[in-house]
Amino acid sequence: DAGVTQSPTHLIKTRGQHVTLRCSPISGHKSVSWYQQVLGQGPQFIFQYYEKEERGRGNFPDRFSARQFPNYSSELNVNALLLGDSALYLCASSLGINSYNEQFFGPGTRLTVL
Amino acid sequence: AQTVTQSQPEMSVQEAETVTLSCTYDTSESDYYLFWYKQPPSRQMILVIRQEAYKQQNATENRFSVNFQKAAKSFSLKISDSQLGDAAMYFCAYRSAKTGNQFYFGTGTSLTVIP
Repeated sequence: DAGVTQSPTHLIKTRGQHVTLRCSPISGHKSVSWYQQVLGQGPQFIFQYYEKEERGRGNFPDRFSARQFPNYSSELNVNALLLGDSALYLCASSLGINSYNEQFFGPGTRLTVL
Repeated sequence: AQTVTQSQPEMSVQEAETVTLSCTYDTSESDYYLFWYKQPPSRQMILVIRQEAYKQQNATENRFSVNFQKAAKSFSLKISDSQLGDAAMYFCAYRSAKTGNQFYFGTGTSLTVIP
């Protein structure tokens, strides 16, 4: 079975632009979470979605938004990009939202904002 | 908010030797999970080991084991018989058992394995 997949692998944008990152969870997984990993830091939680509803939100500005589709894939959108948005964006999927559900991470999308 | 601290930005170990990575955390909760994740240069986060706070017995997965000290809020990872493939960033993470919708990660420890 395929693991969590993310696209694109790398992305270069300029300040002020908008970006959409995509994530496909493991088959059967209904929850998707997004994390931002700035160089030299640990991942920071952005969103969690379950059954197409937002179930958790980290301390990120409203420029960050996300959604989950009926097939449980997800998109992360970032508007008005800033240099500080440059990071590795990780997606993780799990069967459900219970804390004992293991989360499986994708390989990430490397976003560079110039 | 929960915080996770990894005080060793870099560690090195000789191949076949043992190394211990440190992690401390701060929480007011009594029920939670602790994790060690490995992130090789390929960037994919891989679960190494997991510990439930209500279990007194330390978790073990082959060459990987933890020393969980709940009262001290300490959660160290021991890697025995280190192999070249163990070289990676290692992240300690906390997850609440009640509001388990997010991980809190430490800043990571970069492990180098010397042949």
